[in-house]
Amino acid sequence: DTGVSQDPRHKITKRGQNVTFRCDPISEHNRLYWYRQTLGQGPEFLTYFQNEAQLEKSRLLSDRFSAERPKGSFSTLEIQRTEQGDSAMYLCASSQSGSNQPQHFGDGTRLSIL
Amino acid sequence: KQEVTQIPAALSVPEGENLVLNCSFTDSAIYNLQWFRQDPGKGLTSLLLIQSSQREQTSGRLNASLDKSSGRSTLYIAASQPGDSATYLCAPDSGNTPLVFGKGTRLSVIA
Repeated sequence: DTGVSQDPRHKITKRGQNVTFRCDPISEHNRLYWYRQTLGQGPEFLTYFQNEAQLEKSRLLSDRFSAERPKGSFSTLEIQRTEQGDSAMYLCASSQSGSNQPQHFGDGTRLSIL
Repeated sequence: KQEVTQIPAALSVPEGENLVLNCSFTDSAIYNLQWFRQDPGKGLTSLLLIQSSQREQTSGRLNASLDKSSGRSTLYIAASQPGDSATYLCAPDSGNTPLVFGKGTRLSVIA
């Protein structure tokens, strides 16, 4: 069990650029979640997958955001035309399906928009 | 819609003290509640998961209790240490919906 891995750890980009983050879940976990966290707040849900199917998306996920999990393993989160307000920590978590299955989090990708 | 409140927002204690962190939630239809720890600039580390059928769950110096009907959970930390300094987050789990988090309690344990 190598844990949830996220890449990159930090991303600095200019406003208007596109960015893509990657998450590798724990290998036997079929659920994968994306959250966003800003300073002083708890994580806020963005979207989640069961295997390759995207089952739920938050209203926080504007049309500039897209997430994929093409083979039911790793996932990518892309933000197009980044804005200042996108600056945050983007956290990925994974779990097995079913009730009472804990979510395990990665260390996140910190995005800074200049 | 689930709403989670954590009190206090911040807490500073001398090393060795026992302390209690509080979590309240508005929707009691939950399967379980997780307590997490977050160090600065890091992700979340799961500390305890307490199922709705349980009243308490213990791991080392940590003890979590759950009163589902009143929408409350507490995390008790015994004999606090400087290494316990972190932000503690609670998140009730309603099953097929994502976790909803409080803003956390920022704990500082002073040596």
